[in-house]
Amino acid sequence: DAGITQSPRHKVTETGTPVTLRCHQTENHRYMYWYRQDPGHGLRLIHYSYGVKDTDKGEVSDGYSVSRSKTEDFLLTLESATSSQTSVYFCAISVRDRGDSPLHFGNGTRLTVT
Amino acid sequence: AQSVSQHNHHVILSEAASLELGCNYSYGGTVNLFWYVQYPGQHLQLLLKYFSGDPLVKGIKGFEAEFIKSKFSFNLRKPSVQWSDTAEYFCAGAGPGGSQGNLIFGKGTKLSVKP
Repeated sequence: DAGITQSPRHKVTETGTPVTLRCHQTENHRYMYWYRQDPGHGLRLIHYSYGVKDTDKGEVSDGYSVSRSKTEDFLLTLESATSSQTSVYFCAISVRDRGDSPLHFGNGTRLTVT
Repeated sequence: AQSVSQHNHHVILSEAASLELGCNYSYGGTVNLFWYVQYPGQHLQLLLKYFSGDPLVKGIKGFEAEFIKSKFSFNLRKPSVQWSDTAEYFCAGAGPGGSQGNLIFGKGTKLSVKP
């Protein structure tokens, strides 16, 4: 267990409202990632971080922002949620702090935007 | 653009049947390849990985995969599936320079094993 906690586990929100998802790790790993999982699309990278205050965009970053003010927390924010952002969101960490190491995933956050 | 493709969307097998799930990647040079499994309602877990060396890699739960460079393939195999192998399987790859956020996932193959 790589000590990853995602919160909340489930969230229902209305279109246009802001939403923040939290990923917390207990093992001081440098690389953290946010993915979304949708049927027929597999997992797609939203944003990732390679250190405190160091983040970069992934494949599907539009409509999302992230922040990493301390090593253990990586926040994903939907500034104004849309129905297309209904998805399951997974946080992941790179356990060996190397770019080519496997990822360990959190348990996911199921977000529904009505 | 770099990509990872999985041939089968949904595979249905009976227990004890042999399994092979296809995965192809599009980029050459150094490549790191992974297979992940997601059991119903759970998060992804690493099954096995290939970085270099012996192209036949063995993972957990009796799974193995073979890296065939000439075919750009990394197919997942298991000689005899069990009902508990029912899950979704994802192939993923990292191109030159490693993942660093560049881990690309296939769209997944759902495996249903009938008891």
